[in-house]
Amino acid sequence: NAGVTQTPKFRILKIGQSMTLQCTQDMNHNYMYWYRQDPGMGLKLIYYSVGAGITDKGEVPNGYNVSRSTTEDFPLRLELAAPSQTSVYFCASGRGQGNIQYFGAGTRLSVL
Amino acid sequence: DAKTTQPNSMESNEEEPVHLPCNHSTISGTDYIHWYLQLPSQGPEYVIHGLTSNVNNRMASLAIAEDRKSSTLILHRATLRDAAVYYCILRPSNTGNQFYFGTGTSLTVIP
Repeated sequence: NAGVTQTPKFRILKIGQSMTLQCTQDMNHNYMYWYRQDPGMGLKLIYYSVGAGITDKGEVPNGYNVSRSTTEDFPLRLELAAPSQTSVYFCASGRGQGNIQYFGAGTRLSVL
Repeated sequence: DAKTTQPNSMESNEEEPVHLPCNHSTISGTDYIHWYLQLPSQGPEYVIHGLTSNVNNRMASLAIAEDRKSSTLILHRATLRDAAVYYCILRPSNTGNQFYFGTGTSLTVIP
């Protein structure tokens, strides 16, 4: 049982480059989330999805885009990487509001 | 926006009980109280959650004040493996967003 899988684990980008952070879950959860965590800080919600084809903005969505074409996958897209996007990114899934979230191991991204 | 307030850090001796407090004075009637822990370089892990009544599981207990404006995570016997950052989070039951992790409480367990 893999749970929530994130790839890659580490990535270094140059300013202005783009990339997609992959997230997949095998628990058939409807809800999926993307967070970022800056050093010494808590997690901040970037985007979330309540089901395939439905996404919505969280607390810090600027500079990011998401899509949800299947229940399993929820990729996060950075179009024009900026140093302010240097962070650790966590993907999570859950059965619904008020229920438990399951987190991936994270993607550590540096933009130089 | 429903937010929580926690002490930045706490210490506990090994094998002693630990009480981690959380204030959530703006909690609404439909907000669940969740606790997660995060070990270094790992994603958060679920610990426990509740709505109104106190809750127990194999990991911990959650004590919720009668007015629901505060709660306490209780670790019955601290071990070195319990050293982590603990987050108290309000999770609305009727929306998918509007919740905050905050900066959590960093728990140090002293051998």
